[in-house]
Amino acid sequence: DTAVSQTPKYLVTQMGNDKSIKCEQNLGHDTMYWYKQDSKKFLKIMFSYNNKELIINETVPNRFSPKSPDKAHLNLHINSLELGDSAVYFCASSLTQYYGYTFGSGTRLTVV
Amino acid sequence: ELKVEQNPLFLSMQEGKNYTIYCNYSTTSDRLYWYRQDPGKSLESLFVLLSNGAVKQEGRLMASLDTKARLSTLHITAAVHDLSATYFCAVVRGSQGNLIFGKGTKLSVKP
Repeated sequence: DTAVSQTPKYLVTQMGNDKSIKCEQNLGHDTMYWYKQDSKKFLKIMFSYNNKELIINETVPNRFSPKSPDKAHLNLHINSLELGDSAVYFCASSLTQYYGYTFGSGTRLTVV
Repeated sequence: ELKVEQNPLFLSMQEGKNYTIYCNYSTTSDRLYWYRQDPGKSLESLFVLLSNGAVKQEGRLMASLDTKARLSTLHITAAVHDLSATYFCAVVRGSQGNLIFGKGTKLSVKP
């Protein structure tokens, strides 16, 4: 069983489209995250949810909207995609916000 | 603002050699993590270091933490090709608890 699973693994889409990435964890963790890894491999936090509640919202364009229907799921919806949104998006979870993360396998988003 | 700096960012080494990757961070934190990422793959947790003087070893990798100097090291002993990957250190941002990552060290071990 995959601990943190993301879908889709690859996403190619045109500028201006709206897309969603889904994340599910079966570890019973309370906290989930979205990180963006750019072309230089730099990892930057975007959002963090603790038990369905938003606790971190970094300076991310409001075209990005996370949604957590329950503590096992954290989805990311992106409106009006831009070329600069191309990156690998990683979902992660941790027991609480002070513990190490288990990462999903990533979603490679390419905007053309 | 918490900043995490790794060096070197790129490291090419020969098999059998030893080397150290350094991770400096700018503000107090009570835990530090090392992760490994293979090309096109996810991040795999290697070590968590919880206190000053902590040392952890797994195979040819050894990590240590000096909280007073705000420095962690990842030492590679007798490198082998299988260790080729990108290594990240990450530090807990105290007020909010999330991890702030260094830029990563891309390690290439050549025969």
